[in-house]
Amino acid sequence: QVQLQESGPGLVKPSETLSLTCNVSAYSISRGYYWGWIRQPPGKGLEWIGSVYHSGTTYYNPSLKSRVTISVDTSKNQFSLKLTSVTAADTAVYYCARDNLSWFDSWGQGNLVTVSS
Amino acid sequence: DIQMTQSPSTLSASVGDRVTITCRASQSITNWLAWYQQKPGKAPKLLIYKASSLENGVPSRFSGSGSGTDFTLTISNLQPDDFATYYCQQYNTYSTFGQGTKLEIK
Repeated sequence: QVQLQESGPGLVKPSETLSLTCNVSAYSISRGYYWGWIRQPPGKGLEWIGSVYHSGTTYYNPSLKSRVTISVDTSKNQFSLKLTSVTAADTAVYYCARDNLSWFDSWGQGNLVTVSS
Repeated sequence: DIQMTQSPSTLSASVGDRVTITCRASQSITNWLAWYQQKPGKAPKLLIYKASSLENGVPSRFSGSGSGTDFTLTISNLQPDDFATYYCQQYNTYSTFGQGTKLEIK
């Protein structure tokens, strides 16, 4: 059964870039599916950030598109998120997930990222 | 943007009850809708996809219905493990989630 695990800093300064990586195990990214990022501010709902295919094709939430880059490294079986110019509003638990180009059927445990100086 | 509105925001029920959560889309999404369950401190778990298809391993007391703009998630014979927050998600155009419905013990 596919497993996903987020990793990255838990604290980022305002105006800097948030970077997270998702390691995928028990399933080769190259086999297919999209791979996505979703976030959840403390006590609030879920927001899809964007997703990437193993070929590198991406699609992003239009509201975040100008600040987001999602990339994939098939040799390491992982994919990554970069979010630039962060503010306190970007404080959230960030989840990686397998994306059917529709629903998300497997999720990582989440990584809390706090934006603060 | 397609907006998803869930109701109610909070629902109180007892073990053994049958409950229904509603999700309404701001425009037609055909049947491109999923439902998730989330417990505190945990990642969401997929329950239903394509509005009414049950994910493998999900108990049959969970069911989904609807098409177009109006959808429901029904949980029959509530179990203690079912008290959680539930989210709908549309994937007709990009992806957006409802604001969530917290199912509490009465």
